[in-house]
This record gives sequence, structure tokens and C-alpha cells, in this order.
Amino acid sequence: QLQLQESGPGLVKPSETLSLTCSVSAGSISSSSFYWAWIRQPPGKGLEWIGSIYYSGSTDYNPSLKSRVTISVDTSKNQFSLKLSSMTAADTAVYYCARSDSINWFDPWGQGTQVTVSS
Amino acid sequence: NFMLTQPHSVSESPGKTVTISCTRSSGSIASNYVQWYQQRPGSCPTTVIYEDNQRPSGVPDRFSGSIDSSSNSASLTISGLKTEDEADYYCQSYDSSNHVVFGGGTKLTVL
Repeated sequence: QLQLQESGPGLVKPSETLSLTCSVSAGSISSSSFYWAWIRQPPGKGLEWIGSIYYSGSTDYNPSLKSRVTISVDTSKNQFSLKLSSMTAADTAVYYCARSDSINWFDPWGQGTQVTVSS
Repeated sequence: NFMLTQPHSVSESPGKTVTISCTRSSGSIASNYVQWYQQRPGSCPTTVIYEDNQRPSGVPDRFSGSIDSSSNSASLTISGLKTEDEADYYCQSYDSSNHVVFGGGTKLTVL
């Protein structure tokens, strides 16, 4: 059964760049049928799509975050990554990675990783 | 970009039926599939409905989804409510540019 696991720092300083990695197990990130996505959830709030990447490297980003986001894929490590620059307190959230398909159905999800922006 | 609007909260008694709406602000609700996710406190979201009305294996048939082009909305209906259904529910869809949007979420209380 496919599993995803987020990893990265739990604390980031304002103005710095967040770097998170999602490791995929029990399945290949190079599958032509799927995309790989990042989604976040601020405390007590709803879900926000950050962006998605295909194994070839093709990306789609949330227009509201596009100027600060980079998503990349490393097929040799079966991982994909998120970089979010110029972090502020508003970026404090649980960050999830997930697999999606051509209809943008997100399943499964990783367990999520808490990221707090504070000096 | 479009928005998906859900009621902030709904409540119903065990054994009853509840329907959660999800209204698309622009573009046709029928143009792109709608998914519904359940999220219990402290857990990641899980799918209860995909492709407007399909249930993943393991999701009971008490959960059903539909779309209504006249109101440009999608609905999640849960019948025979159980206390374990108490959770937040999110609708989700996308547009022709492959930009994904989630609804704001609905807190379901089973009391």
C-alpha cells in the first residue's frame, strides 16, 4: 500500500525559505498515472492546495503562492520536495503531501508535518 | 479562480440524514469532478467520495455524492448518522488550468 512521509524542519524563521521532502514508499513516483502534491492547513482553518508535480517535472501552482513556491521531483530517491520562500507567520500550518491523478483526486495523504514560523 | 462555498457547520441526531452543500462560484460544477474528504481531529483527510459520486472501497454506502447543475453545487449526503461520522468535511474541485480549490470545510456534529 502506497505510503507518503513528510520530513523537514518544524521551525522556520521569518523571511527564510521552507524546505520539505515527501518520501514515497511501496510505489514508484515515476508512474505515468499520477501527480504528486503539497497541501497545507493553517491551525484551525481549512485546506489549501499549494501545487502539484508530474514525474517529468511539469508543475502546477496555486496562483496565490506561485511567486514563492518551487516543487521538484527526484525520481532516483522516489521523493518530491517543496520550497516556499519569504516565510511569514501566515505560513504556519500543517503541510501534507499527497498523490493525485488526472482528476485531482488526492489519495493517499501523508500524515502531515507541523511547520511554525517564528523568530 | 473560483471558490467553493460550504456551510460552516451542520448538526443532526444519530440515525438521521444530513446533507452538506458545496456551491461553485464560477464555471460549471459539472465541468470538473468533485471530491469529498473527511478529516477527524489530529488526522489527515481521507476520501469519502471521488468523481462526484464514487465511493472508495471501505467507505460505507451511507455516504453518497451528487451534483446539481441548476444550483451549480455538489452535495454530500450521509444517512443513518453515527457518532463516528462527526468530523470536518471538505469538498474539492479544479478548473481548466488544473488549479485546485478546496471548500472552506463543514464541521459535522452528531448529537
